[in-house]
Amino acid sequence: AQSVTQPDIHITVSEGASLELRCNYSYGATPYLFWYVQSPGQGLQLLLKYFSGDTLVQGIKGFEAEFKRSQSSFNLRKPSVHWSDAAEYFCAVGAWTNAGKSTFGDGTTLTVKP
Amino acid sequence: GAVVSQHPSRVICKSGTSVKIECRSLDFQATTMFWYRQFPKQSLMLMATSNEGSKATYEQGVEKDKFLINHASLTLSTLTVTSAHPEDSSFYICSARDQSGGREAFFGQGTRLTVV
Repeated sequence: AQSVTQPDIHITVSEGASLELRCNYSYGATPYLFWYVQSPGQGLQLLLKYFSGDTLVQGIKGFEAEFKRSQSSFNLRKPSVHWSDAAEYFCAVGAWTNAGKSTFGDGTTLTVKP
Repeated sequence: GAVVSQHPSRVICKSGTSVKIECRSLDFQATTMFWYRQFPKQSLMLMATSNEGSKATYEQGVEKDKFLINHASLTLSTLTVTSAHPEDSSFYICSARDQSGGREAFFGQGTRLTVV
């Protein structure tokens, strides 16, 4: 069975500072990997995804993530955080054998200090 | 493209009543849809996989008689919470996979259910 670990429950960064949110996955084969953002009371917005190919993935809102097979990681990065980035971030893993079905991490809450 | 619409976005119902939530794929056909539940400040937990024209597959621990899922067409799946109780209050989110071979599912905006 697949699983996702987001080690950081809560991260606080200053506006303009860089950001890295960690994600580790467990899956027996090459996974599909996703990062979503969720504002309070809202649905999920897809930031980026990895299926295959280039391991550095560019997403929306200036986010990027790097797939590292050797570390089973898919960390999310942003060079300069904006106050509007404050939200909940979820990493998710999907399976080739059951496309569309995702397992989510517990999420990381991002707070941005002015 | 790839828009999934959930309705209603918010619903309040009395304890003991049933409530139906709809999940529609607006611009693609979806043989498979997924229903998730999210408690406050928690992650999304998969409840069931909905397959068009067949019975849903429920995750372990999810009561199939309480959470009825119907996937009667290629663009619509419904989740009915029967005899709802306050502990069923939660955020329910659906996702739908494009039957043309997409590797990902697209999420609806969620439904906030409050049982009073």
